[in-house]
Order: sequence, then structure tokens, then C-alpha cells
Amino acid sequence: SQQGEEDPQALSIQEGENATMNCSYKTSINNLQWYRQNSGRGLVHLILIRSNEREKHSGRLRVTLDTSKKSSSLLITASRAADTASYFCATAYSGTYKYIFGTGTRLKVLA
Amino acid sequence: DAGVIQSPRHEVTEMGQEVTLRCKPISGHDYLFWYRQTMMRGLELLIYFNNNVPIDDSGMPEDRFSAKMPNASFSTLKIQPSEPRDSAVYFCASTVADRSPLHFGNGTRLTVT
Repeated sequence: SQQGEEDPQALSIQEGENATMNCSYKTSINNLQWYRQNSGRGLVHLILIRSNEREKHSGRLRVTLDTSKKSSSLLITASRAADTASYFCATAYSGTYKYIFGTGTRLKVLA
Repeated sequence: DAGVIQSPRHEVTEMGQEVTLRCKPISGHDYLFWYRQTMMRGLELLIYFNNNVPIDDSGMPEDRFSAKMPNASFSTLKIQPSEPRDSAVYFCASTVADRSPLHFGNGTRLTVT
């Protein structure tokens, strides 16, 4: 079964707007990671947040983690057409390297 | 850093044929993962290795699938015999032991007719 589930499944916004994606997971984790996938390509790592962190920033990306709710959110500010891609969260069961990916959010940024 | 290298990039084969997918992880990475991606099932973890040893193969669909890692710089995923439902994009990824991010190859798109 999926360890992570993202919502929404698809999101369409105008360039310049902010995009927020959410991820829920099921078990205790060491860290949660967000990845991006452009069509036809491999996944690219965006940001990693450890279980003892609540918020992390990287450029236009902001990630939050709520371990009590087993959820995370990815915020992309001032979106650009080049941000159009699918975004996935990934978690590993505590004590393992068994990284399971969520169902993904397909983001479309309209120019 | 050449990244994770997968070959072939595309593979088209007929049902019943043997298919071998190849992966070269990033030098120094001691974890290697094989994933399968389809529209219906998303990204599925098939198997992962640590120091060339399979750690968890619970995601391997059935006995037709096998994976090996004979050395630290090479891994194969074999399907024998292949079936149309095996059509998917297969990704290889690698990482190091300090819980760093996974580095993905560009995948092999497999079509079984």
C-alpha cells in the first residue's frame, strides 16, 4: 500500500500565483522528501525535511512537516511556467531505507 | 558526477521474450533501488540493495522478475518471460547511507507487445 498520498491530484494555476501540495503518510519516519518529475524524465530531489524539523526553506520552496498529523506540505511561491511538473513526496519506514513514493500532484502553471 | 546511468532508454519486445534492464549507480553510493512507474499504480518500489546485497524484494511482482547486483557499479533487472502488463517505465536510483536524497536515472521505457 502507498506510504504517502498527495492532494490535490492535479492543480492548475496562473504564473505568479502560489501552489500548495499536501502529503499524508502512515507510519513513523526519519525524514520526508519532495521530488519533482518532468514528463518523460527521472525524479529530481527538491528538499528533505527531518522528523525533528517543522519547516524548511529552499529558494521559492517551503516545506512543513507535522508528525502528529503525519502530514507535510510543499509551497511553491511565485510560480513559473517552468514549474509545470509532477511533484511527489517520499518517506521511508523508520529504521529502513524502503522509500515509498506518494501518488503525486500534477502541477500546471499557465503563462 | 555522471549521475545514475540506465540502459537501454527504450525497449520494445514481444510477449514471452526475456528483457534485461541495466543500471550503473553513482560511484560511492551503497544503496540501489529499482522502481516501476505506471499510470495506474504510480511509482512502485520493486527491490533495493545495500552493499550489493538485496535487502527488501517484497515489491517484486512475481517470479518472472529477478534483480542482481554483482558489484558496486552495476545492477540488472530481468523479466523472463515478459508480458504486456509489464509495460512501464523502470527507474533505478542510488544513495549513500546517511539518508541523503535518492538520485534517479532517466529510466527505461519498456513496451511489451
